[in-house]
Amino acid sequence: GAVVSQHPSWVICKSGTSVKIECRSLDFQATTMFWYRQFPKQSLMLMATSNEGSKATYEQGVEKDKFLINHASLTLSTLTVTSAHPEDSSFYICSARDLTKGARGYTFGSGTRLTVV
Amino acid sequence: GNSVTQMEGPVTLSEEAFLTINCTYTATGYPSLFWYVQYPGEGLQLLLKATKADDKGSNKGFEATYRKETTSFHLEKGSVQVSDSAVYFCALSDQNYGGSQGNLIFGKGTKLSVKP
Repeated sequence: GAVVSQHPSWVICKSGTSVKIECRSLDFQATTMFWYRQFPKQSLMLMATSNEGSKATYEQGVEKDKFLINHASLTLSTLTVTSAHPEDSSFYICSARDLTKGARGYTFGSGTRLTVV
Repeated sequence: GNSVTQMEGPVTLSEEAFLTINCTYTATGYPSLFWYVQYPGEGLQLLLKATKADDKGSNKGFEATYRKETTSFHLEKGSVQVSDSAVYFCALSDQNYGGSQGNLIFGKGTKLSVKP
């Protein structure tokens, strides 16, 4: 079945540094990938939609200069949290859609737990 | 806009008890509906889905029926096990089947704890 690999699974960084999270579709091509953020006791919130070869579409309230998204190939999207602060600590999860599978086609990565100290 | 509302937890049950987690939605058009499960320390996994009214999704003993008249997609299981302890998310796809974009809109999640 479709597999999405997300790395790292957890990361601790110092305030002010940048962190890159990778999301790879291992056995299918994903022209579109989605980045979500999960707050404790709250729902997953869509941050941005990543389109291969073009600029990402950010949801309202998400700072595009802070959360840099690059989707350079059909199998890889990256999210870079720039100048991280403690309030950026959260669980980030990506999703890739395999268009050949229609409604079944959303596959999630295992998520990245970011802690900023 | 589109939204998903699911019952707040946590839900604590004894093994072999009956489970219902309520989920209702608001959407234009004809969304697909999903239940995802997140086991401790893991990412999301698709549990079941339904793509049109009156469809029943089922997997691992869990069932949910797409009810357009009540805009609901309640999750049920007749006899839960300790291994079912997880967080369950109801979600809808805001793009029709075959759409080139489309993202998932999630409920807040319901934590289920099953005691032996």
